[in-house]
Amino acid sequence: TQLLEQSPQFLSIQEGENLTVYCNSSSVFSSLQWYRQEPGEGPVLLVTVVTGGEVKKLKRLTFQFGDARKDSSLHITAAQPGDTGLYLCAGGERDAGNMLTFGGGTRLMVKP
Amino acid sequence: DAMVIQNPRYQVTQFGKPVTLSCSQTLNHNVMYWYQQKSSQAPKLLFHYYDKDFNNEADTPDNFQSRRPNTSFCFLDIRSPGLGDAAMYLCATSQIRGANHEQFFGPGTRLTVL
Repeated sequence: TQLLEQSPQFLSIQEGENLTVYCNSSSVFSSLQWYRQEPGEGPVLLVTVVTGGEVKKLKRLTFQFGDARKDSSLHITAAQPGDTGLYLCAGGERDAGNMLTFGGGTRLMVKP
Repeated sequence: DAMVIQNPRYQVTQFGKPVTLSCSQTLNHNVMYWYQQKSSQAPKLLFHYYDKDFNNEADTPDNFQSRRPNTSFCFLDIRSPGLGDAAMYLCATSQIRGANHEQFFGPGTRLTVL
């Protein structure tokens, strides 16, 4: 069974600060997705990375897939209150069909 | 817009009273999933359909059943809800293709058991 460890579990910061969320595994994933989930809503897909070393940017969010495809990070620059939510990483395995292994989630609160 | 729709958004039921949650999709994806999510935790997969093939997770209680009458619709039946079944239930879809394992989630149904 593959595991994804996500850290930190909780993060409370002031508006304008930068932050990084990490997702680590001892196993290789074919792809890695990042989702953001707001209270009372379903997770919304932010990005998918599939190539080792890949970096993708989405406005103030930067996503990186590790060279060995075992880890990923999400960096937010100048966080805003609208970034508040639960961030989930999820890894897909080539031999597991379309099943995803989820990290435990990072609950982010950005205070104005 | 192509999307995943869940109804109702909020469902209240009584202990032991059967309840059905519904999910529909306009993405024409061949895989549909049901997840259970408790407060601030990651979603937990209950089962999924690959086309009409049903796949149950080993630790999904027998109390949970599912139906997929066609490509667009999938239902979650909870035969005798207990207090521990109160949670957010998420439906998701995906299309099998290469290394991309993207799943697209609906807005969820919040189930309360009284």
